[in-house]
Order: sequence, then structure tokens, then C-alpha cells
Amino acid sequence: AQSVSQHNHHVILSEAASLELGCNYSYGGTVNLFWYVQYPGQHLQLLLKYFSGDPLVKGIKGFEAEFIKSKFSFNLRKPSVQWSDTAEYFCAVTSSGGYQKVTFGTGTKLQVIP
Amino acid sequence: EAGVAQSPRYKIIEKRQSVAFWCNPISGHATLYWYQQILGQGPKLLIQFQNNGVVDDSQLPKDRFSAERLKGVDSTLKIQPAKLEDSAVYLCASSVPGRGGRNEAFFGQGTRLTVV
Repeated sequence: AQSVSQHNHHVILSEAASLELGCNYSYGGTVNLFWYVQYPGQHLQLLLKYFSGDPLVKGIKGFEAEFIKSKFSFNLRKPSVQWSDTAEYFCAVTSSGGYQKVTFGTGTKLQVIP
Repeated sequence: EAGVAQSPRYKIIEKRQSVAFWCNPISGHATLYWYQQILGQGPKLLIQFQNNGVVDDSQLPKDRFSAERLKGVDSTLKIQPAKLEDSAVYLCASSVPGRGGRNEAFFGQGTRLTVV
């Protein structure tokens, strides 16, 4: 069975600080990795995704994530956060086979202080 | 493109009552998911449909929860009878199947259920 772990539950940063949110997954086969974001009062939406190729993927709003296969990790990064990045961030994984069940981590709440 | 529609947005019921949620996925999306998101936790998959067939309901509490997707489009999720621990946001999502799981899921706004 696939699982996802997010180690930071609540992160508080000042504007312009750098961000890194951890995500580790567990699955024996080929996976697809996603980061979703949920802004206050809004629905979950895709931030970025990784399937294959270059392990450094870039998403919307200046976010990027790096897939490190040997560490089963897919950490999310942003060099300089803004107040508008305040949201909850979820790492997710789907298997490449079967019915592509989407499994989510527990989420990280990011609060950016102006 | 219209998104995933869910209703109602909020619902408050007493324990042991029944409740139903409705979801209309994005047109053409054959895969439909229902997730339960308890406060402070990530979304947990309750049931996954492909067209009108169930492909995963391993985490659905079948003694009280039921879901259907008639004609492979709209879906309803029902809880009967509700318990206090069912208080959560119920999310519906849809996606285009295939491509080895590479297609993103699109989410609705969710229904916030409070059981008192």
C-alpha cells in the first residue's frame, strides 16, 4: 500500500524567507508525485507534479520540487515566500498501475507573516 | 471549463440522523473520488468510481456510508446514521483516467458536515 508522510504540520515564516516542506512516500513501484495547495476558503488545486525525467520540477507561483528517488522524497521549495502563500500544502502520490488511487499526506499549514 | 460542483456547502445534523451529499464532476471525467478530510488531517479516500463502477471502497465504512454514481456522471454520498466522528469536510474530485496516473484530480469546494 502506498503512503505519504509530511513532517512539518505548521510552519510560520516571515515574508521573503525561503521555504522547504518535506514529503516522503512509501510505495514499491513507479509513482507519480503531486503537490496540491488549498488557500483559505478555496478548493484544493494542483501546484506541481512529477512523472519522470528531470527530477527538479517547477510549478506555479515560483514553487519547485525535487524528486530524490534514493530518499523517497519530493520536497517542495520556494526561494522567497509572500504573504499570499499562506495556505495548506498537501503532498500526494498515485501509482502508475491499477486504478491510480490518489493518496495524500496529512498536510502542512504555512503561515507567512508580513 | 466548469469545475467540480458540490452541494450543500455546509450541513449540521444531529447524531443518528441521515445526510446526503451531491457531486457533479467535470464533464468527460470518468474517474470520481469521494474524500473525507477531518480537521488537521489530509484527505482520506472513501470511494473511487470509474464511470459508474466502484474500483476502490476499501476505506468506506459500509455499515453507515453508501455512494452511488448513476449513469457515470453525478454521484451521491450518504451517511445513515451519522456519528459525531463523521464531522469533517467531504470532498469530491474527478479526473480523466489513464496515462499511468499522471492526470491531476480536480476538486470541488467540499461539504462541511458538523454532527452534534
